[in-house]
Amino acid sequence: KQEVTQIPAALSVPEGENLVLNCSFTDSAIYNLQWFRQDPGKGLTSLLLIQSSQREQTSGRLNASLDKSSGRSTLYIAASQPGDSATYLCAVTRGGKLIFGQGTELSVKP
Amino acid sequence: DTAVSQTPKYLVTQMGNDKSIKCEQNLGHDTMYWYKQDSKKFLKIMFSYNNKELIINETVPNRFSPKSPDKAHLNLHINSLELGDSAVYFCASSPETYPNTDTQYFGPGTRLTVL
Repeated sequence: KQEVTQIPAALSVPEGENLVLNCSFTDSAIYNLQWFRQDPGKGLTSLLLIQSSQREQTSGRLNASLDKSSGRSTLYIAASQPGDSATYLCAVTRGGKLIFGQGTELSVKP
Repeated sequence: DTAVSQTPKYLVTQMGNDKSIKCEQNLGHDTMYWYKQDSKKFLKIMFSYNNKELIINETVPNRFSPKSPDKAHLNLHINSLELGDSAVYFCASSPETYPNTDTQYFGPGTRLTVL
């Protein structure tokens, strides 16, 4: 059974810091891995999608890596801003299903 | 021009009632989903439909019955509501065909509170 774990559960940083969010999964037979952002009271927004054959994806200040063999992914956020405050969810796709971690709640203080 | 919409946004009801949540997508996608996010923010898939056909049915009580009248709509009907059904329910859609789903587009969620 595929399990997805995210560490830390919560993170508070001052504005301008670079930070890393971690995601680990137990079964490496995944179709892809995605990072989502969830704002309070809102739906999920897909940030980055990494196919199983890829090692990383970048979008603006965000960079996500994937190491299937070790069952790990990281989301790197450069020069964090208060607007980055949200919950970040990692999810793997397997058998047509998204399997989510429990998220990291990020707070960026001005 | 909302992509994935859900109604209602909030639903407060008494235990034992029957309620429905509606979802519509105007993206022309073939695959739609229902997810449940519990009080600990843990998101888990409940159902998936591909072109009006049920393809994923997780271990969900049979009080929950999805219905897809056409491929743009996937409604969720819940019978005999229980306190534990309180959660946020998200609808999503995907342009790809099961099982090779890539991007999923999520609705804003419906917060269900059972008293």
